[in-house]
Amino acid sequence: AQSVTQPDIHITVSEGASLELRCNYSYGATPYLFWYVQSPGQGLQLLLKYFSGDTLVQGIKGFEAEFKRSQSSFNLRKPSVHWSDAAEYFCAVARTGGFKTIFGAGTRLFVKA
Amino acid sequence: NAGVTQTPKFRVLKTGQSMTLLCAQDMNHEYMYWYRQDPGMGLRLIHYSVGEGTTAKGEVPDGYNVSRLKKQNFLLGLESAAPSQTSVYFCASSPLRLAIGTDTQYFGPGTRLTVL
Repeated sequence: AQSVTQPDIHITVSEGASLELRCNYSYGATPYLFWYVQSPGQGLQLLLKYFSGDTLVQGIKGFEAEFKRSQSSFNLRKPSVHWSDAAEYFCAVARTGGFKTIFGAGTRLFVKA
Repeated sequence: NAGVTQTPKFRVLKTGQSMTLLCAQDMNHEYMYWYRQDPGMGLRLIHYSVGEGTTAKGEVPDGYNVSRLKKQNFLLGLESAAPSQTSVYFCASSPLRLAIGTDTQYFGPGTRLTVL
């Protein structure tokens, strides 16, 4: 069955430090992969997505993610975190042939000064 | 261009009451979705629509009904609210560029519903 795992419920990083949020998925074929960000009291906003091609994907706000088929992972990274990046981050996987997008449980990012 | 809007933003119901949540989008998107968000569970799909006049069940449809009479609107109804339906509800839409579920979804700001 299709599933998405975000192992970290919450992460705290210092402002200016690098960030990596983990995402592992379970899906038989090549999935469509997404990272969304949710600021407090807001809806989700797409950061980046992977469909095919280059496995390193660039997104908005300086984020990037790398698709690693061998590890079934799609980890999100940012080289230098800003206080405004504090939010909840959701990884999602989708497939064609009938609508099915599965969201992970989310990772809440705290940024300390 | 307002994107996706949801009405109301907050609501408190008593068990057994009914209500309708309204979602509107002005991006001419074909696909629309209703999700619920509960702590530690991410978003779960309630119902979705692939076009005006069509709806389909998602992952957790029980206790909810939907209608899409106009392309820009997608209504979520609770006929007899239960405490288990306390949640934050998000509406989303996406364009008909790719197969459904594979394109970017645009989310509304959410409706926080409490059922006492």
